[in-house]
Amino acid sequence: GENVEQHPSTLSVQEGDSAVIKCTYSDSASNYFPWYKQELGKGPQLIIDIRSNVGEKKDQRIAVTLNKTAKHFSLHITETQPEDSAVYFCAASKGSNYQLIWGAGTKLIIKP
Amino acid sequence: NAGVTQTPKFQVLKTGQSMTLQCAQDMNHNSMYWYRQDPGMGLRLIYYSASEGTTDKGEVPNGYNVSRLNKREFSLRLESAAPSQTSVYFCASMDRGRTDTQYFGPGTRLTVL
Repeated sequence: GENVEQHPSTLSVQEGDSAVIKCTYSDSASNYFPWYKQELGKGPQLIIDIRSNVGEKKDQRIAVTLNKTAKHFSLHITETQPEDSAVYFCAASKGSNYQLIWGAGTKLIIKP
Repeated sequence: NAGVTQTPKFQVLKTGQSMTLQCAQDMNHNSMYWYRQDPGMGLRLIYYSASEGTTDKGEVPNGYNVSRLNKREFSLRLESAAPSQTSVYFCASMDRGRTDTQYFGPGTRLTVL
């Protein structure tokens, strides 16, 4: 069946450095790719998304890139800050876009 | 505007007991979802409701039932709880057709002994 693989499972970076999280999807019909951030004890919250007709999207320190041919998409966070510490999930749309297929998550740790 | 609310926040059940998790949204969204989250496994879809009056199975529906009571409310029922259902449950709603963003509630932490 369709799946989304996410790497790494844990990422530790020095404050101020950049962080990159990568995902690979299997469903060729996927056309919507959101990224969610989950803080401890809370539900996931959308931070950025990209659609299949766009190769890159940026919002301040956060950017997402999409390579449809390779079925890869990545989250880039620059100038990391302590408040960036959280679990990040990638997802890909399935079927009629009512559903999302989720990656297993990446725990991002920002070291002071 | 409370967004997505879930009750209860915490619950402990004994094997075989039943319970209903409640979810409500005030954003006038058509689509609603129930997920479970287990360590290292991300979010797995239990059931979803694309619109009022419809419900469909997701990836892991066994042992659960749902009711889309009206456009605002979507409940999840465990008829006979099992230890394998120990998890954190999240409800979400989506503004489909406009942004496709899913908005999540704060979650219910369920322990089945």
